[in-house]
Amino acid sequence: AQSVTQLGSHVSVSEGALVLLRCNYSSSVPPYLFWYVQYPNQGLQLLLKYTTGATLVKGINGFEAEFKKSETSFHLTKPSAHMSDAAEYFCAVSDRGNTPLVFGKGTRLSVIA
Amino acid sequence: DAGVIQSPRHEVTEMGQEVTLRCKPISGHDYLFWYRQTMMRGLELLIYFNNNVPIDDSGMPEDRFSAKMPNASFSTLKIQPSEPRDSAVYFCASSLWGSGGELFFGEGSRLTVL
Repeated sequence: AQSVTQLGSHVSVSEGALVLLRCNYSSSVPPYLFWYVQYPNQGLQLLLKYTTGATLVKGINGFEAEFKKSETSFHLTKPSAHMSDAAEYFCAVSDRGNTPLVFGKGTRLSVIA
Repeated sequence: DAGVIQSPRHEVTEMGQEVTLRCKPISGHDYLFWYRQTMMRGLELLIYFNNNVPIDDSGMPEDRFSAKMPNASFSTLKIQPSEPRDSAVYFCASSLWGSGGELFFGEGSRLTVL
């Protein structure tokens, strides 16, 4: 069975600083990996996804993530945080898109002016 | 294009009452999912449908919960009778086979059971 671990339920960064949100997964088959963002009182929106091919994936709003099979990781980064990035971020895994997404517990990102 | 539409956005009810949450998936999508979000347990998959047929309902917590999808454009999640521990945000999501597993979420229904 697949699972996702997000290290750190809350991350706080200064505006302009690097954002790094950590995600490790467990899957017995090649995974499809996703990052979603949730703003207050809204549903989840897709930031980016990895299916096959290039391991560095670029998403919306300047975010990117790198699939590292040897480390079973899919960390999310952004070079410079903006106040509007404050939200909850969820990492998710699927069995090559053939099974429902399994989500991590989420990481709340705060951006300090 | 319209996204996934859920109603009601907010529901406050008393313990023992019946609650019905509704979802209209994106037109053309063949998968529909119901998730529940709580602080303690995060996002949990309750049930999902493929072409209106329930595929896996192992996440439904108790017999008090039931879900139906009478046609491709409508699904309901019903709780009867409701209990305070059912208070949560319930999300509906839809997807299209072959799109790489991406889910499109509605804005959720926030349920409070007093």
